[in-house]
Amino acid sequence: LAKTTQPISMDSYEGQEVNITCSHNNIATNDYITWYQQFPSQGPRFIIQGYKTKVTNEVASLFIPADRKSSTLSLPRVSLSDTAVYYCLVPYSGAGSYQLTFGKGTKLSVIP
Amino acid sequence: DVKVTQSSRYLVKRTGEKVFLECVQDMDHENMFWYRQDPGLGLRLIYFSYDVKMKEKGDIPEGYSVSREKKERFSLILESASTNQTSMYLCASSSRGPDSYEQYFGPGTRLTVT
Repeated sequence: LAKTTQPISMDSYEGQEVNITCSHNNIATNDYITWYQQFPSQGPRFIIQGYKTKVTNEVASLFIPADRKSSTLSLPRVSLSDTAVYYCLVPYSGAGSYQLTFGKGTKLSVIP
Repeated sequence: DVKVTQSSRYLVKRTGEKVFLECVQDMDHENMFWYRQDPGLGLRLIYFSYDVKMKEKGDIPEGYSVSREKKERFSLILESASTNQTSMYLCASSSRGPDSYEQYFGPGTRLTVT
């Protein structure tokens, strides 16, 4: 059974680096892990995806260890506008089924 | 810019009614998805479709059906709405291939069943 775990909430001051970790078991072998950001009254928005090691784009970095049982989204120098809910999306396969499972989300609050 | 639109932002229906939620995307994406989002439960996949007339069950398909007659349109159907289907419904689309993990979401439909 697919299970994805994230912290429910996190607080951070402006300008700090924030790391949000998602733990996942039974991840599909050849699929990517993706992270999304969601503001109130909007649909989630894609941030970054990765398969293993480290990926960086203009807004975030994603660290995935060799066993791929977790992933960490890193937001450098957060600002108030980064206050949102962050979700990891993990593909699972096994016993003839394929699932795309979102974590329950981490509510990040950035404090001035 | 990818655009995913949903037919209504807010919808109120009575128990037992048949409900149609429509989703349209304008990027010629092969994959389309329906999720529901509830407080404390996050997003849960109801159904997805990887091609016209093709559909696959997600994590919580019970009480729902879908229809995909055209590539750009994916409909979610509640055959007989119940109060436990009160929720936010989100549609998404993605392309096939290396970018298939990047899903584009619509604004959502908040459905209330009374």
